[in-house]
Amino acid sequence: EAEVAQSPRYKITEKSQAVAFWCDPISGHATLYWYRQILGQGPELLVQFQDESVVDDSQLPKDRFSAERLKGVDSTLKIQPAELGDSAMYLCASSFMGSETQYFGPGTRLLVL
Amino acid sequence: GQSLEQPSEVTAVEGAIVQINCTYQTSGFYGLSWYQQHDGGAPTFLSYNALDGLEETGRFSSFLSRSDSYGYLLLQELQMKDSASYFCAVAGGPDSNYQLIWGAGTKLIIKP
Repeated sequence: EAEVAQSPRYKITEKSQAVAFWCDPISGHATLYWYRQILGQGPELLVQFQDESVVDDSQLPKDRFSAERLKGVDSTLKIQPAELGDSAMYLCASSFMGSETQYFGPGTRLLVL
Repeated sequence: GQSLEQPSEVTAVEGAIVQINCTYQTSGFYGLSWYQQHDGGAPTFLSYNALDGLEETGRFSSFLSRSDSYGYLLLQELQMKDSASYFCAVAGGPDSNYQLIWGAGTKLIIKP
């Protein structure tokens, strides 16, 4: 069964350092989402891609976060510099264009010290 | 603003039936989704209701009333593996780029 791949699964970093997360969506899924989830809360959308184009990055803190999906397949989310408040689970999801059903990867749990 | 309300925690006994309610206030509505998330895991899709009524998938059923802005997830014959958080999410349709607006989740605790 096709799955969304993410790496790394866990990341511990010190504040002010740079971190990067990678996501490979299910083949054929044109839409890719990056979410941040804090324990006890629902996922919060950071950025949405349609193929290689950004559809919505209104909730992405652009002073420190960046995201790209250069060839419209896999994607990278970067934080530079990391802050203590960035500690959370970062989830990647993908879907067919126009579908309400999203498929999630296992996530990257980030701890900023 | 946009909001979804669901109970923060529900406790039930193994083998019993439990209902998790969700009420929503959103500017757009295309349908209501439910996702399951085990501790440390990722959300997995359970069901989607676009029309009023009950949808059944095995032990799980989901209901929607668009006029009442209300839905629920019904879990029957509860098993210990059903212990997880359950999220309702409103699908906004094409006007919102098919994004989901998520509730805060309901932690389901199952006792033997």
